Amino acid sequence: AQSVAQPEDQVKVAEGNPLTVKCTYSVSGNPYLFWYVQYPNRGLQFLLKYITGDNLVKGSYGFEAEFNKSQTSFHLKKPSALVSDSALYFCAVRDPGNTPLVFGKGTRLSVIA
Amino acid sequence: GAVVSQHPSWVICKSGTSVKIECRSLDFQATTMFWYRQFPKQSLMLMATSNEGSKATYEQGVEKDKFLINHASLTLSTLTVTSAHPEDSSFYICSARDLRKPGNSYNEQFFGPGTRLTVL
Repeated sequence: AQSVAQPEDQVKVAEGNPLTVKCTYSVSGNPYLFWYVQYPNRGLQFLLKYITGDNLVKGSYGFEAEFNKSQTSFHLKKPSALVSDSALYFCAVRDPGNTPLVFGKGTRLSVIA
Repeated sequence: GAVVSQHPSWVICKSGTSVKIECRSLDFQATTMFWYRQFPKQSLMLMATSNEGSKATYEQGVEKDKFLINHASLTLSTLTVTSAHPEDSSFYICSARDLRKPGNSYNEQFFGPGTRLTVL
């Protein structure tokens, strides 16, 4: 069965500093990996995905993530955090079949001015 | 990307009543739709998967008689919460996928904006 772990409930960083939101996964076969962001009382916004190819994936709003197969990780990163990045971030995984996305529990990012 | 809409965006109802939530794929045909619920400050939990024209497959612990899912067409799925109670209050999010979309080899899953249900 597929699963995703986001080990941090909350991450706090100062504005302008780099940020990392961690994600590890478990899936049989090759994973499809995703990051979404959710603002209060809103739906999910897609940030980026890894399907195949380069391990470093660049997405929306300056975010990027690196697929590390040996560590089964897909950490989300941004070189310089903005206060407006403060939100709830979800990592998700699925296998290549017609299976639904499975989400991690989410990590609340707070960027402090 | 493709657009998925939900209606209503929020609803308040009295305990014991039934509420229907619609999920529509606006510019593609959704062969598969998924319904998730999200409790405050928690993750999205998959409730059920439905394929057009077939009965929905419910996740363990989800009451199929309470959460009725209909996926009668390739652009519309509905979730009906029957005899709603306060514990059913939650944020319900639908998601859709087109298995047949050309070039979509990994069958991207598109999300609706969610429906907030409050049962008094």
